[in-house]
Amino acid sequence: KQEVTQIPAALSVPEGENLVLNCSFTDSAIYNLQWFRQDPGKGLTSLLLIQSSQREQTSGRLNASLDKSSGRSTLYIAASQPGDSATYLCAVVNNAGNMLTFGGGTRLMVKP
Amino acid sequence: GAVVSQHPSWVICKSGTSVKIECRSLDFQATTMFWYRQFPKQSLMLMATSNEGSKATYEQGVEKDKFLINHASLTLSTLTVTSAHPEDSSFYICSAQPGTRRQRGETQYFGPGTRLLVL
Repeated sequence: KQEVTQIPAALSVPEGENLVLNCSFTDSAIYNLQWFRQDPGKGLTSLLLIQSSQREQTSGRLNASLDKSSGRSTLYIAASQPGDSATYLCAVVNNAGNMLTFGGGTRLMVKP
Repeated sequence: GAVVSQHPSWVICKSGTSVKIECRSLDFQATTMFWYRQFPKQSLMLMATSNEGSKATYEQGVEKDKFLINHASLTLSTLTVTSAHPEDSSFYICSAQPGTRRQRGETQYFGPGTRLLVL
């Protein structure tokens, strides 16, 4: 059974810092990996999707990398802003199906 | 594009009543929709996969008679929490996968969630 873990569970940084969020998964036979953002009491917004054949994806200040063989992904946020404060979730789709398995999330607080 | 709505966004009900939550894909068709449950400060847990025109597939530990799912059209899935109790209070989120065929790994688009409070 696929298990997804995110470290750290919570993170508080001053505005302007570059930061890295970590995601690991136990079964490397994944179809793709996705990073989401969730604001309190809201649904999910997809940030980046990395196919299993890809190494990274970039969108603006966000960069996500994937090392499938080691079961790891990182989300890099450059020049963090208070508006980046949210919970960041990573999720994987296994080769065996089409359901998302989510990590526990990282709650990010960027202080002005 | 690719907007998913949920209705209602908030519901408060008495213990023992049934609550229906709707999930709609507004500008695309979705053969497959998913229902998740999220407790405070926890991640999303998949409850069931809703398949248009056929029975839903429930995850282990989810009571199918408690959480009734109907996917009657390519744009609408409903989740009914039957005889709700306080322990059913949670945040319920749906997602929809674009396409009229079940395509693995395609992006899921998430609804805004429905917060249920059972008194």
